[in-house]
Amino acid sequence: DTGVSQDPRHKITKRGQNVTFRCDPISEHNRLYWYRQTLGQGPEFLTYFQNEAQLEKSRLLSDRFSAERPKGSFSTLEIQRTEQGDSAMYLCASSPGQGGETQYFGPGTRLLVL
Amino acid sequence: RKEVEQDPGPFNVPEGATVAFNCTYSNSASQSFFWYRQDCRKEPKLLMSVYSSGNEDGRFTAQLNRASQYISLLIRDSKLSDSATYLCVVNMEGYSSASKIIFGSGTRLSIRP
Repeated sequence: DTGVSQDPRHKITKRGQNVTFRCDPISEHNRLYWYRQTLGQGPEFLTYFQNEAQLEKSRLLSDRFSAERPKGSFSTLEIQRTEQGDSAMYLCASSPGQGGETQYFGPGTRLLVL
Repeated sequence: RKEVEQDPGPFNVPEGATVAFNCTYSNSASQSFFWYRQDCRKEPKLLMSVYSSGNEDGRFTAQLNRASQYISLLIRDSKLSDSATYLCVVNMEGYSSASKIIFGSGTRLSIRP
């Protein structure tokens, strides 16, 4: 399968712990996005990379959140000192970045903070 | 006012029916438009882009009304497998800004036998 993959698919953690999620985009896709989705809502933009450069970050991305894409391929999203309000589905998407804007989503990581 | 608004539904229609839903957007300078489909507890998947002249893909027809700032999705001869949430996506500032790709909250569609 050459689609977008995410790991882990599910994560349960206790409040205050740190968690890290990984996203592997479709190879050769320059753009990589992170979104958060809660029940009954559409995906909300968190951040976006063009190759290894993080070009935009949402106001939703507090200081506890950090994302990297060190070699322009896979990306990680880390949440430090998790809070119950962080419980959500974290979706990664990629796109070719050549003018086409179709985003291809991974299956998501479902986070539950107890 | 939300930047992208959809009727949350649910729309509950019998198999074979025609169903349509709209999505309104606030920024008249919005550049591109899409419909995504999301099944329960799954990721969104592109259903179709929406072109200025309107476009059709099998049983699905998408239209754009720039004057009234809405897009629509029409599903003809609905199937049980069409049951899903349909997300409207609007790119408000064009290619350069990912943060202005705005997703609506989705419209839930349920097709009954």
